[in-house]
Amino acid sequence: AQRVTQPEKLLSVFKGAPVELKCNYSYSGSPELFWYVQYSRQRLQLLLRHISRESIKGFTADLNKGETSFHLKKPFAQEEDSAMYYCALSGLSGGYQKVTFGTGTKLQVIP
Amino acid sequence: DAGVIQSPRHEVTEMGQEVTLRCKPISGHNSLFWYRQTMMRGLELLIYFNNNVPIDDSGMPEDRFSAKMPNASFSTLKIQPSEPRDSAVYFCASTGTGEGYGYTFGSGTRLTVV
Repeated sequence: AQRVTQPEKLLSVFKGAPVELKCNYSYSGSPELFWYVQYSRQRLQLLLRHISRESIKGFTADLNKGETSFHLKKPFAQEEDSAMYYCALSGLSGGYQKVTFGTGTKLQVIP
Repeated sequence: DAGVIQSPRHEVTEMGQEVTLRCKPISGHNSLFWYRQTMMRGLELLIYFNNNVPIDDSGMPEDRFSAKMPNASFSTLKIQPSEPRDSAVYFCASTGTGEGYGYTFGSGTRLTVV
């Protein structure tokens, strides 16, 4: 079974402060991990994926297989970063590729 | 590509009425997923299809919910009869097998049952 845990429902930080959104996963195989962002009343959008090792809007995430984590980080939060963030894992389930989402963390950047 | 297209964007209906939500996945994607999003429960997977075949419908909350995918370019999620607790945003998403690019989501349908 695959599982994604985001322990924080809400994270409030001041503008300019560092941000770390936590994500831990459980999966027996080699996972593909993603972060999705959802701005107010909009669709979920893919923010970044671990296989590309990219930085999007200043966010980065490193897959740590030892700790089974994929935390999302940004050194300096901006007000426009306020949104819901979902961590997701893509893995094989019953022979099919399935994506499991965490429960999400609401990031609130205080001006 | 126009992305995943959902209709309607908003739906307000009375309790007991039938509601049908529609989704057109990205052309060439062979997996389609229906999610429900609420403040209380977050994002819940209701059902997903692979090559038009329902693979896992364990997330469908009750028999009042049904989903079909008659062809590769169209899927419906039906609620009959609808209840106020069904009020939520329903998202459709699609992906291609083995892409590793995750899902592409539609804009969602905001359903309000009064």
